Amino acid sequence: GENVEQHPSTLSVQEGDSAVIKCTYSDSASNYFPWYKQELGKRPQLIIDIRSNVGEKKDQRIAVTLNKTAKHFSLHITETQPEDSAVYFCAAILSGSARQLTFGSGTQLTVLP
Amino acid sequence: DGGITQSPKYLFRKEGQNVTLSCEQNLNHDAMYWYRQDPGQGLRLIYYSQIVNDFQKGDIAEGYSVSREKKESFPLTVTSAQKNPTAFYLCASSIEPARSYEQYFGPGTRLTVT
Repeated sequence: GENVEQHPSTLSVQEGDSAVIKCTYSDSASNYFPWYKQELGKRPQLIIDIRSNVGEKKDQRIAVTLNKTAKHFSLHITETQPEDSAVYFCAAILSGSARQLTFGSGTQLTVLP
Repeated sequence: DGGITQSPKYLFRKEGQNVTLSCEQNLNHDAMYWYRQDPGQGLRLIYYSQIVNDFQKGDIAEGYSVSREKKESFPLTVTSAQKNPTAFYLCASSIEPARSYEQYFGPGTRLTVT
């Protein structure tokens, strides 16, 4: 069925390096792609999102890119800091889901000092 | 962090008992959602409601029930029919989906059934 796949499941980077997390989706009609950050023991919070009419969106050290042809979107974090350590979830609105979000399985990002 | 609350934070129950998790929001949001979070599996949708007195099954509704009698409240009952109820449960809300898809999450309830 329709789903969202997220890779990698774990990612460790040195402080100051960049981190990239990628998600692929199966529904070509999907038009909204958010990224949520969940720190340990806390609730998920939206950090950035992109709609299908845009190829890239940036917010300070965070960017999301979307390739509709290949049906994948990626989260890019530059100049990583220890406080970026968290679980990151991608999501998408899939056409068979009554406009509800379908989440990826999450990526545990660890920024090493 | 205010706006959407869940209680209690931790809940322990014996197998065979029904248990109800509370979710309240004062954001005047139309839509509310319940997710289950298990390690390595992301967030899976249990039930959602886009308007008072109406709700829809999500991907894993079996063994769960909900009600939406008030706009502010969307309680989730985990019944004894749920085969593996131990999990972290997250409630979320959003304004009418036609306007925005952004969801605001509560702090979660960790349910342990033994």
